[in-house]
Amino acid sequence: QSVLTQPPSVSGAPGQRVTISCTGSSSNIGARYNVHWYQHLPGTAPKLLIYDNSNRPSGVPDRFSGSKSGTSASLAITGLQAEDEADYYCQSYDSSLSAVIFGGGTKLTVL
Amino acid sequence: QVQLQESGPGLVKPSQTLSLTCTVSGDSISSGSYHWNWIRQPAGKGLEWIGRVHTSGSINYNPSLKSRVTISMDTSNNQFALKLTSVTAADTAVYYCASEPGRGTGSDCWGQGTLVTVSS
Repeated sequence: QSVLTQPPSVSGAPGQRVTISCTGSSSNIGARYNVHWYQHLPGTAPKLLIYDNSNRPSGVPDRFSGSKSGTSASLAITGLQAEDEADYYCQSYDSSLSAVIFGGGTKLTVL
Repeated sequence: QVQLQESGPGLVKPSQTLSLTCTVSGDSISSGSYHWNWIRQPAGKGLEWIGRVHTSGSINYNPSLKSRVTISMDTSNNQFALKLTSVTAADTAVYYCASEPGRGTGSDCWGQGTLVTVSS
């Protein structure tokens, strides 16, 4: 059981928009700690997709966007492409645990 | 461009100590402000943060692993290391090292990962 809750799976057709939620609590996301998102393809290292809730590192397409409100954050992917099929993880910090925390991960399937 | 590379035994016996090293190239591990992290992923499961050491030397551990984990920095060899004692099959995982700017903006540089299997 992860401190940050993500849906196990989401799916969408090519070209569609999908969102992945990340729900935390008052000791992490709600405590104004930033949320980061990673894309993880099998057999590769995770890739930072969104940092500080809504910022994209250089090279990440603007089809990927992030937002945060209250104790939750979301990753949105528009114009879905086959290459987006991967696992996605949110990450934050928890003050009660004094630890970095990850969501359980969401598997995105492009239909 | 900073690069990270994990190294260490791929097979560890139950009850023994898992030891991994992350070699950093492209920058000094002791310069600037960075968190040097260890993260793992058991097969079929999600990412689990193990702990980190900051450039300053301060260290944080995952509370669930704290009693068994030691992370250290070796500035002379530009490496940081992970030791996990009393391992069991549950510690079988791909282990990653990763760097994160000290402001805490997410780990933007990762090693390729190394599979460690705990088995007799």
